Amino acid sequence: ETGVTQTPRHLVMGMTNKKSLKCEQHLGHNAMYWYKQSAKKPLELMFVYSLEERVENNSVPSRFSPECPNSSHLFLHLHTLQPEDSALYLCASSQDLRGQGAEQYFGPGTRLTVT
Amino acid sequence: AQKVTQAQTEISVVEKEDVTLDCVYETRDTTYYLFWYKQPPSGELVFLIRRNSFDEQNEISGRYSWNFQKSTSSFNFTITASQVVDSAVYFCALLDSNYQLIWGAGTKLIIKP
Repeated sequence: ETGVTQTPRHLVMGMTNKKSLKCEQHLGHNAMYWYKQSAKKPLELMFVYSLEERVENNSVPSRFSPECPNSSHLFLHLHTLQPEDSALYLCASSQDLRGQGAEQYFGPGTRLTVT
Repeated sequence: AQKVTQAQTEISVVEKEDVTLDCVYETRDTTYYLFWYKQPPSGELVFLIRRNSFDEQNEISGRYSWNFQKSTSSFNFTITASQVVDSAVYFCALLDSNYQLIWGAGTKLIIKP
């Protein structure tokens, strides 16, 4: 596969469940990102990883827990979510955090519904 | 403060018309990058273009063209001879000295057959 892939594409979970979102990039990039996109709200950056180290955590609730085991994979572990967490979760990667290689390439997203 | 404004919430045109999507940005940095992304109904954000602050040349790619004007802090996007497949939400974004992309609210473009 090429580009950025995300699984699952759709997820419905109860508030007491634990699930994980997976992202994989096949572009040889060094940085990876998690975004949340809710209806009628701007894209919200959640986490940034560069060379497997977390460099940004935008005041995200602890019920979201990221994991970056290597530069190609990024996970978002979910537990005890709230209905307002229902959204499209997008993963992205870029060659670099800044400069000429900073354009981000996105995966197709995971549509999450919390019931 | 960094900010990106896309004043047009929604634009609707008939196929084959030309359409321009506006983007105005604010930043104190002298070096920065501007981006346009397309988000079709499928949901995936597609990278269209990156423009560096020190390169004011306009760019054309097929039916797409971009007009970067530092004097007015604008980076507008024009689609010539629009097609139904161009229907999507288009986002403008800014990257300055920080590494966080500042996103505009998006413009929903509807191309009617």
